[in-house]
Amino acid sequence: EAAVTQSPRNKVAVTGGKVTLSCNQTNNHNNMYWYRQDTGHGLRLIHYSYGAGSTEKGDIPDGYKASRPSQENFSLILELATPSQTSVYFCASGDADRANSDYTFGSGTRLLVI
Amino acid sequence: GQGVEQPDNLMSVEGTFARVNCTYSTSGFNGLSWYQQREGHAPVFLSYVVLDGLKDSGHFSTFLSRSNGYSYLLLTELQIKDSASYLCAVRPTNSAGNKLTFGIGTRVLVRP
Repeated sequence: EAAVTQSPRNKVAVTGGKVTLSCNQTNNHNNMYWYRQDTGHGLRLIHYSYGAGSTEKGDIPDGYKASRPSQENFSLILELATPSQTSVYFCASGDADRANSDYTFGSGTRLLVI
Repeated sequence: GQGVEQPDNLMSVEGTFARVNCTYSTSGFNGLSWYQQREGHAPVFLSYVVLDGLKDSGHFSTFLSRSNGYSYLLLTELQIKDSASYLCAVRPTNSAGNKLTFGIGTRVLVRP
């Protein structure tokens, strides 16, 4: 069954530390996305990718980097984590070629930066 | 500016209905999607609309008026398990990467 898998499910990090969130999809979708979800803000786009080797800035990219080494994998990197990056992070994949393509989301990563 | 607006909360009674409203203002329009998100879980796709009118999918229906920048999700014969957040998401015409702009989500509580 096609799916989007995120790891870890939960993470506690210290301020100033490096955090890497991983995402793997078996949908064979070209597009992948990283969102964060906070109370009062809904889902906000951090970075996205058109395919292997591609990363693009979303609406709130500051403090985050992304890496897409393959069609299946898309990582979100916090080089110097801050408490304001405490949030729930969702990865999603989508078909680039269909306007009506829905997103398939991963189960989310709950990140706490202390 | 661009945005997708939804009410924060909505309460309804089991066996009745709930209508979740969504208004949007984006650079062009290339479709609107609805997602259901249960507490602590990922959003799950429900419906996509791009043409005006009512789209009936049984337990729920979706309505779109492009001229008014307005959509609603109608949940009928509500069950307690329909309690969840419902997210409205719009794809602007100029959206590179097929990106969606999400609303804040409406938390629907169904009480007995």
